[in-house]
Amino acid sequence: GQQLNQNPQSMFIQEGEDVSMNCTSSSIFNTWLWYKQDPGEGPVLLIALYKAGELTSNGRLTAQFGITRKDSFLNISASIPSDVGIYFCAGQPSGAGSYQLTFGKGTKLSVIP
Amino acid sequence: DVKVTQSSRYLVKRTGEKVFLECVQDMDHENMFWYRQDPGLGLRLIYFSYDVKMKEKGDIPEGYSVSREKKERFSLILESASTNQTSMYLCASSLSGQGHEKLFFGSGTQLSVL
Repeated sequence: GQQLNQNPQSMFIQEGEDVSMNCTSSSIFNTWLWYKQDPGEGPVLLIALYKAGELTSNGRLTAQFGITRKDSFLNISASIPSDVGIYFCAGQPSGAGSYQLTFGKGTKLSVIP
Repeated sequence: DVKVTQSSRYLVKRTGEKVFLECVQDMDHENMFWYRQDPGLGLRLIYFSYDVKMKEKGDIPEGYSVSREKKERFSLILESASTNQTSMYLCASSLSGQGHEKLFFGSGTQLSVL
């Protein structure tokens, strides 16, 4: 199947710092999504993006659908301890079967108080 | 609150056993999915279903089968468990049509095969 390259694999940051992570693909995606998985739980949808260039915020989180449609970015401002978890990008490739999403391998975020 | 419920948080089975993982959703969603999550590999799709009695193979279906007899329930079956099937299994559901990409996940079942 399709592959998404998600970077970085892990991050250790100080509380209050901003965080950036990204996902890239060799092929075009129609939809990009960002999920967060808290320890011991299933992933929860944070943000969904549907148009190239779209910039969407959810509280301290901001995500962008890249202009080339081959990448997406997630920023977290002023991190707090509850931001700890694994962040996954996911996308629906252009021309893919209707119900299949491709997931990145995740960015594990640790916040040092 | 919408909910996807997986029957067990932790399971320990022996090699060769038949294993059933159950998932129930209360959102009247048409689509249901089974993923496995392994460190460094992310989420990989095993099977999905877009309607009762319908199933489609995902990226890694080998060694697994599924059953969807009722809309709200999607079962993952390991016919003969092997140690390489030790993993976290996540069930998810979504609407059909608009919004189908917004998956709702259960809390996961950590399966250990000894």
